[in-house]
Amino acid sequence: AQSVTQPDIHITVSEGASLELRCNYSYGATPYLFWYVQSPGQGLQLLLKYFSGDTLVQGIKGFEAEFKRSQSSFNLRKPSVHWSDAAEYFCAVGTPNRDDKIIFGKGTRLHILP
Amino acid sequence: NAGVTQTPKFRVLKTGQSMTLLCAQDMNHEYMYWYRQDPGMGLRLIHYSVGEGTTAKGEVPDGYNVSRLKKQNFLLGLESAAPSQTSVYFCASSQNEQFFGPGTRLTVL
Repeated sequence: AQSVTQPDIHITVSEGASLELRCNYSYGATPYLFWYVQSPGQGLQLLLKYFSGDTLVQGIKGFEAEFKRSQSSFNLRKPSVHWSDAAEYFCAVGTPNRDDKIIFGKGTRLHILP
Repeated sequence: NAGVTQTPKFRVLKTGQSMTLLCAQDMNHEYMYWYRQDPGMGLRLIHYSVGEGTTAKGEVPDGYNVSRLKKQNFLLGLESAAPSQTSVYFCASSQNEQFFGPGTRLTVL
């Protein structure tokens, strides 16, 4: 069965510092991979997705993620965070051609220090 | 283009009461989903639908029913609400990627 692990429940970084949020997945083949962001009291917004091809994926708001098959990882990165990036981030894995269902990780809450 | 909308945004119920949450999408997507979000648990799939007239159980279906009578609408029903169903409910529709509604915050007293 597929699963997603986000090992960090909370992460705190200073504004302007770089960021990396970790995501590991379990799936027998190459999955579809997603990162979503949720601001307090809001719905989920898709940051980026990986279906196939180039393993370095660019998303919105200056985020990128790299699919590493050998490590079963899809870590999210940003070179310089802004105070507005404070939110909860969810990694998700989907199975191609399987009802578009996706499994979410439990989320990482990002705090930004001024 | 409204995307995915949910009605209502907030609701407070007493234990044993019933209610229906409405999800509507205007993107002509075949697939629709209902999730619940609880602190520290991420989003968990309650029920989903792969097309008009079809529904299927997700990870946490107990205590909920759904219907998809029209392609654009997906209804989530609670027949007899329990405090354990206090949560934020999200609807999504999909064509390769899921698009989410703004959520419904439900409190069951």
